[in-house]
This record gives sequence, C-alpha cells and structure tokens, in this order.
Amino acid sequence: EVQLVESGGGLVQPGGSLRLSCVTSGFIFSYYYMGWVRQAPGKGLEWVANIKADGGETFYVDSVRGRFTISRDNAKNTLYLQMNSLRAEDTALYYCVRYVRGNNYYFDNWGQGTVATVSS
Amino acid sequence: DIQLTQSPSFLSASVGDRVTITCRASQGISGHLAWYQQKPGKAPKLLIYGTSTLQSGVPSGFSGSGSGTDFTLTISSLQPEDFATYYCLQFKSYPLTSGGGTKVEIE
Repeated sequence: EVQLVESGGGLVQPGGSLRLSCVTSGFIFSYYYMGWVRQAPGKGLEWVANIKADGGETFYVDSVRGRFTISRDNAKNTLYLQMNSLRAEDTALYYCVRYVRGNNYYFDNWGQGTVATVSS
Repeated sequence: DIQLTQSPSFLSASVGDRVTITCRASQGISGHLAWYQQKPGKAPKLLIYGTSTLQSGVPSGFSGSGSGTDFTLTISSLQPEDFATYYCLQFKSYPLTSGGGTKVEIE
C-alpha cells in the first residue's frame, strides 16, 4: 500500500522558515516524480512544486520560486520542502503527492497533509 | 499559464440525480486533465485521469469526457457518499493549475 506521511508544519512568524518532510513507503520512491500541493483555509488546490525522480530537475509555481526548495533523498524515501521567507499567504495545508508520468500525467496518491501557519 | 474555469462552483442535488460539472481550459491541454473528489478534512482522491480513464476502485457511476479546452465530469446517479467538492487539474504544462472547485450538496 502506498503511504505518504507529511510532517514539519507549525506556526512561524512572517519571514521565518519551515522544512516539511514526506516519508513514503509501499512503492519504489526513486522511480517517481513527486510534488507538493497546498490548500489555504477554505480555498482550492494550488500546485507548489515538483521534482524529477532523480532529483535532477525541479519546477515551481511563480509565487514560491526563490523562496521554496523542493528536494528528495532517494535512499531515505523522503521528499522535502524547505520554505524560507514565509508570508501570511503561505498559510495552508501542504500535501505531498506522487506524480505519475506515462501516457497520462496525474497525482495518484496524496498524503494527509501538514499545516503551515504564518502569523505574528 | 493555463487557467481552468470550473462550473458551477456550487450545486444542490438529490440522491439519484445525474450531475455534470464542467471545466474549461484557457488553451488546449491535450487531454491531460484529472478530476479529484475531496471530502471535508480529507485529502483529495483521484477519480479520473487522462480526461476519461477511471482510477482503479472508483465506482463506474463516475465518468469523464471532453477534448481541446472543454471537459466534463458526470455522476450518473448521485449517491450519499458523493456529496463532496470536486476539482479539475491540468497536467499539460507548468505551472500545473486547478479549477476553483465545485461543491455538491444535498438538496
């Protein structure tokens, strides 16, 4: 069974940092692109970042580029999101997602999420 | 960026109703569209990918169709467990984008 378990969320002041982690199991982590999707309170889904299976290429939504860094440790089956210079508008539930890329592209598995709250 | 316009944003329906949700893209997305169901306090669940392929384990009452810029999610006969919020997401190009969601409530 595929499992994605996020951690690392919390309350941080504007300008601060958080590092989110997503420990995975039940599949060969190093074979898959991975990503992060966030959901602000009461709002819709917003894709944040993706990373290639080998970690060699990353992709970001404009609003976080230069502030957030997605990375992975394939030996530890773990995905990360380093979030710096946090703003109030980064407050959200952050989901770790597995990204399937074949004939079709889609997020097939989601974690339960970890909450990041940016507030003074 | 590809914008996805989902409609309606809210709909009220009864058990047994046929429900249709639409998603319009601002440019062609080559069928790289998926639909997700989200219930309160839960992570989104994949229903359909590649416009019309039903994810394993998803009831056959769900179906997807469309091409070019216009896509549709249909629930053939609404069940009590189908009351939720539905999102379309496009995977044609970065940044990946989502529709605003359709909340399906009991009439």
